[in-house]
Amino acid sequence: GNSVTQMEGPVTLSEEAFLTINCTYTATGYPSLFWYVQYPGEGLQLLLKATKADDKGSNKGFEATYRKETTSFHLEKGSVQVSDSAVYFCALSHMDTGRRALTFGSGTRLQVQP
Amino acid sequence: GAVVSQHPSRVICKSGTSVKIECRSLDFQATTMFWYRQFPKQSLMLMATSNEGSKATYEQGVEKDKFLINHASLTLSTLTVTSAHPEDSSFYICSARQGTGGWETQYFGPGTRLLVL
Repeated sequence: GNSVTQMEGPVTLSEEAFLTINCTYTATGYPSLFWYVQYPGEGLQLLLKATKADDKGSNKGFEATYRKETTSFHLEKGSVQVSDSAVYFCALSHMDTGRRALTFGSGTRLQVQP
Repeated sequence: GAVVSQHPSRVICKSGTSVKIECRSLDFQATTMFWYRQFPKQSLMLMATSNEGSKATYEQGVEKDKFLINHASLTLSTLTVTSAHPEDSSFYICSARQGTGGWETQYFGPGTRLLVL
């Protein structure tokens, strides 16, 4: 079955540091890959997505590239801000199945200190 | 982006009572909505897929008679936790699917925190 593995948190960084959150997946076929962010007390928000190999998703300074050869979709940001403190979830879904529900990783909590 | 709302945001109930949670897509129509459950500091676990005009599809291990799902319109799905017990206390999150194929995206509601005493 499908699965998503994320690095465990929390990840604590100083403001303006470089961020990488690792995400690898197991799936048959060609899933779509997503990063969602959950700010304290709020629901999940789509951060970025990629639907095929070598696609790069980007938003708000965050980037992730769909690497089929390594089955990875690592999240990166060059300079984090305090406002980026949140929980980040990597997820996948299959466009070729009827349900298209998301399979989530366990989430990685990011704490950015001023 | 598209907006999905949930109501209530928080509910406390007595053991044995039923609780209904609403999920609405506010600015788009969604033939498919999903219900997830999130335990503290854990990921989201899919409970069921809600399809407009037909029966919901439940994940293995989820009791369909306990978690009743109704998707009566293209903008509303409801989850009713029947005869709630303390172990049902959790954070319930819905999502609504917009678009098709490669442009498809799920938008999430803010969640409903249920506490059963």
